[in-house]
Amino acid sequence: RKEVEQDPGPFNVPEGATVAFNCTYSNSASQSFFWYRQDCRKEPKLLMSVYSSGNEDGRFTAQLNRASQYISLLIRDSKLSDSATYLCVVKESGGGFKTIFGAGTRLFVKA
Amino acid sequence: DVKVTQSSRYLVKRTGEKVFLECVQDMDHENMFWYRQDPGLGLRLIYFSYDVKMKEKGDIPEGYSVSREKKERFSLILESASTNQTSMYLCASSFPSEQYFGPGTRLTVT
Repeated sequence: RKEVEQDPGPFNVPEGATVAFNCTYSNSASQSFFWYRQDCRKEPKLLMSVYSSGNEDGRFTAQLNRASQYISLLIRDSKLSDSATYLCVVKESGGGFKTIFGAGTRLFVKA
Repeated sequence: DVKVTQSSRYLVKRTGEKVFLECVQDMDHENMFWYRQDPGLGLRLIYFSYDVKMKEKGDIPEGYSVSREKKERFSLILESASTNQTSMYLCASSFPSEQYFGPGTRLTVT
């Protein structure tokens, strides 16, 4: 089993749609969680951190379910510019630096 | 504005060549990382460094070495390039948790 698993997609949605991605992780001791965005042929960039109580940033909502070991990203009112690959990222505990990236979920938003 | 730069965007090398990939960050970050990214596999950590002259192996260090002589610079070395090292190489720095990536070097080994 992969340490961090994501549905690779692609998700093809029309503009204005709501789309959700899930990501599961295997290490229950994982400490920090993030969503990164990677545009085609570009480097990954932090989209948002994921907090235990859930958090929102504009059209984006991230949630963490520790009991089931998954995190989610919800995008409301999709824009063409949201088309990208979304990487789920998990940082493990223990004072180390082990950060595990999921393989990503591709999203295409169409007019 | 944070910045991580990598020496080359595209590189083509022959099997057996020694390859140097350079990464420089201007954010005074302690931690620096080298990843490779391959389709369907995501980013895999090769090496990381948490201080000058300190280095730790990541998940796939075989065939690679690193050097960190100055805080801002972290170099990845392919001692003898092989075709299975054809990949996108991404450098990152972080403090404390958010990682800032360079633009990547697409290396092709023929």
